[in-house]
Amino acid sequence: SQQGEEDPQALSIQEGENATMNCSYKTSINNLQWYRQNSGRGLVHLILIRSNEREKHSGRLRVTLDTSKKSSSLLITASRAADTASYFCATDARGFSGGSNYKLTFGKGTLLTVNP
Amino acid sequence: DSGVTQTPKHLITATGQRVTLRCSPRSGDLSVYWYQQSLDQGLQFLIQYYNGEERAKGNILERFSAQQFPDLHSELNLSSLELGDSALYFCASSVSLNTGELFFGEGSRLTVL
Repeated sequence: SQQGEEDPQALSIQEGENATMNCSYKTSINNLQWYRQNSGRGLVHLILIRSNEREKHSGRLRVTLDTSKKSSSLLITASRAADTASYFCATDARGFSGGSNYKLTFGKGTLLTVNP
Repeated sequence: DSGVTQTPKHLITATGQRVTLRCSPRSGDLSVYWYQQSLDQGLQFLIQYYNGEERAKGNILERFSAQQFPDLHSELNLSSLELGDSALYFCASSVSLNTGELFFGEGSRLTVL
């Protein structure tokens, strides 16, 4: 079963606009990660945010985490055509003893299309 | 280039057959993960190995098995193949046992006819 669910499933914007994708999850987590996948290629790690962090930045990426709402958002600013890809959130659920359960579970992704 | 190598890149086989997918993790990474990606199921976690030992199991069918060898490369064996097993199979590696950043290979695309 999917732990994380991204929203929207698809997003189409113009170059230069900002893109926001959301992720909701079900159980307590140790960390949440965002990955990017170009069509048919391997996933590439973008950013990791730990459960005790609320916001993190990396270049044009901004990730927020609200553990009370079990949700995260990924903001890509000043988007480029090269940002066209699927974006996935992945959660490392907390195990029985509070540590990791060693499973990184992915959502079904948001397909972002950036039009030139 | 993530440093994770998967072979073969493409594989076409018939129902009932058996195939082996191979993964070489990044140099120094001890953890190997296997994922299956299909259009209807998304990216499904199959199994994780750390330094040769199985550490976590996901939605892996009994017809599927995996192992990690002393040189840390891993193999995923798929047997009695069915049409529904057609998918992209990804291997990923990480340095530690806990799930930090994963480095993904380019995948092995399996087509079962």
